[in-house]
Amino acid sequence: QKEVEQDPGPLSVPEGAIVSLNCTYSNSAFQYFMWYRQYSRKGPELLMYTYSSGNKEDGRFTAQVDKSSKYISLFIRDSQPSDSATYLCAIQYSGAGSYQLTFGKGTKLSVIP
Amino acid sequence: GAGVSQSPSNKVTEKGKDVELRCDPISGHTALYWYRQSLGQGLEFLIYFQGNSAPDKSGLPSDRFSAERTGGSVSTLTIQRTQQEDSAVYLCASSPVGTGGGGYTFGSGTRLTVV
Repeated sequence: QKEVEQDPGPLSVPEGAIVSLNCTYSNSAFQYFMWYRQYSRKGPELLMYTYSSGNKEDGRFTAQVDKSSKYISLFIRDSQPSDSATYLCAIQYSGAGSYQLTFGKGTKLSVIP
Repeated sequence: GAGVSQSPSNKVTEKGKDVELRCDPISGHTALYWYRQSLGQGLEFLIYFQGNSAPDKSGLPSDRFSAERTGGSVSTLTIQRTQQEDSAVYLCASSPVGTGGGGYTFGSGTRLTVV
């Protein structure tokens, strides 16, 4: 069983829609949770970073973590065509000396004008 | 530099040849990581360098893969006797010490195609 599961999509929504992206994980030792955005032929860029259960907001983006269910989500409000990209969840073990991340496969999002 | 620089951006090589991929991290970032992104797969950790410490090589898929980091800065990932399954995007990231995934900055990657 892969440690981080993410629906690869693709997901297509109209401009202005609320987008929900989700990942599940299997190992409770995961403690740090990140969402990255990756445009075509570019490297991933960090969107959100959190380590606790609950919600964290940054502009139109909200990251949600439920450690009891081992479930993380990213919500995008008022989606824009510029949000079209692949979104990757990433998780890090607590105390991992090398700070390596375990990534989901990514969900490809298209926001249609 | 302003960001993480990787070269070449694209590389096509024949099966059985050796290739070298270069990563120039952000100045002052002591941690450097290599990941591999294959089609339809997530990013796969390969190797981690931190300062003068012994690298964490636990993600290297075979002994055909090796990496070095000279002078705590530039890193080279070498793949010997390339195979078609090595075709992927190889991504390098750097971070300040102790920040982990919350402080990663990725380069744009090297797209390797083995024919």
